[in-house]
Amino acid sequence: DAGVIQSPRHEVTEMGQEVTLRCKPISGHDYLFWYRQTMMRGLELLIYFNNNVPIDDSGMPEDRFSAKMPNASFSTLKIQPSEPRDSAVYFCASRVRGMNTEAFFGQGTRLTVV
Amino acid sequence: GDSVTQMEGPVTLSEEAFLTINCTYTATGYPSLFWYVQYPGEGLQLLLKATKADDKGSNKGFEATYRKETTSFHLEKGSVQVSDSAVYFCALSPNAGNMLTFGGGTRLMVKP
Repeated sequence: DAGVIQSPRHEVTEMGQEVTLRCKPISGHDYLFWYRQTMMRGLELLIYFNNNVPIDDSGMPEDRFSAKMPNASFSTLKIQPSEPRDSAVYFCASRVRGMNTEAFFGQGTRLTVV
Repeated sequence: GDSVTQMEGPVTLSEEAFLTINCTYTATGYPSLFWYVQYPGEGLQLLLKATKADDKGSNKGFEATYRKETTSFHLEKGSVQVSDSAVYFCALSPNAGNMLTFGGGTRLMVKP
């Protein structure tokens, strides 16, 4: 398996524009997580899915953020409208069920909102 | 709720020095414990894990022992290399649930 695949790797957009980040989890993994990483706040969990169903979105900062998982092999995180404070690295991770299993992370999308 | 606390960085060491990065946790029951490493420009990857009390996880010369009595999982390495420079994250997975809780990360810088 190629691992967790995220696209794009880098995104530069203007304030007010819509941004869509994409993630393909590892085949067979039950759980998918979206994280945001910044220098100020470290690694934050935004939302996670179990079998394509959102379980906990309490980390989503505000209504401008939304996430979907239409099928087991694809998820999106959308920011509309984007703001400069959304600039961060966004990671997707996937995991099989079980407390002992590791989460596999993608390489991240570095988002810059100017 | 569950939480993980790590020592703040950066930690700066000379090559071949001994490394300790402290990690303590708060959780009910018996969580599984993990150390992840993030190299510059990359995502997090698993370094080692321990799934029950007194277990020792080890990988690439790094070790950590699951101490239930002190709720700790400190990361150690006897002799660090420049290539170990990275950010290290301690994490836990509760025994009921599938969400990983991460600490704030500790940046390690190793100088030749």
